[in-house]
Amino acid sequence: EPEVTQTPSHQVTQMGQEVILRCVPISNHLYFYWYRQILGQKVEFLVSFYNNEISEKSEIFDDQFSVERPDGSNFTLKIRSTKLEDSAMYFCASSSAFRGPYEQYFGPGTRLTVT
Amino acid sequence: SQKIEQNSEALNIQEGKTATLTCNYTNYSPAYLQWYRQDPGRGPVFLLLIRENEKEKRKERLKVTFDTTLKQSLFHITASQPADSATYLCALDSWGKLQFGAGTQVVVTP
Repeated sequence: EPEVTQTPSHQVTQMGQEVILRCVPISNHLYFYWYRQILGQKVEFLVSFYNNEISEKSEIFDDQFSVERPDGSNFTLKIRSTKLEDSAMYFCASSSAFRGPYEQYFGPGTRLTVT
Repeated sequence: SQKIEQNSEALNIQEGKTATLTCNYTNYSPAYLQWYRQDPGRGPVFLLLIRENEKEKRKERLKVTFDTTLKQSLFHITASQPADSATYLCALDSWGKLQFGAGTQVVVTP
């Protein structure tokens, strides 16, 4: 069964450093998302992406964040200058459609620890 | 924005019984509501989706109801098994953006 993959599984970085989280969505999916989950809290939407541009973003997704689809398979989330409060689990998701009742398939997540 | 409330206390249930989880929301009713399962340290896994004009949806031992008047969805696991132990998340579907509740942990004991 096709699945979303994410690398690395765990990333430790120092405050102020840049990190790039990588995702490979399901191959025939066209819509991509990033969510985050701070330990013990709920899953929060960050951004949705379609046709090489951002469709929607949350208040969390400020100028420190960016997303990119550098090639036909990868989807990345970059945090330019990490803060302690960026420590969380980051989930990538993809779906075959957007505006309609379509389930999202989530990856296993990248645990980001900012020290 | 929407406020989504799920039972914050863990639901402990004996194997074979039915677990019932509640999801309440404020403000507008979404066109769709989804339920996901999340195991510790893992990503959410899609279970069921229900439209606003559907009262009930079933999939194997799972059943979801959606009452837009009460602004509530109920999620049932019948004949529960220890393997059903996980956190169950309610998500309001706002045109592709999922807004999740905090989830309810279910613990099924043999």
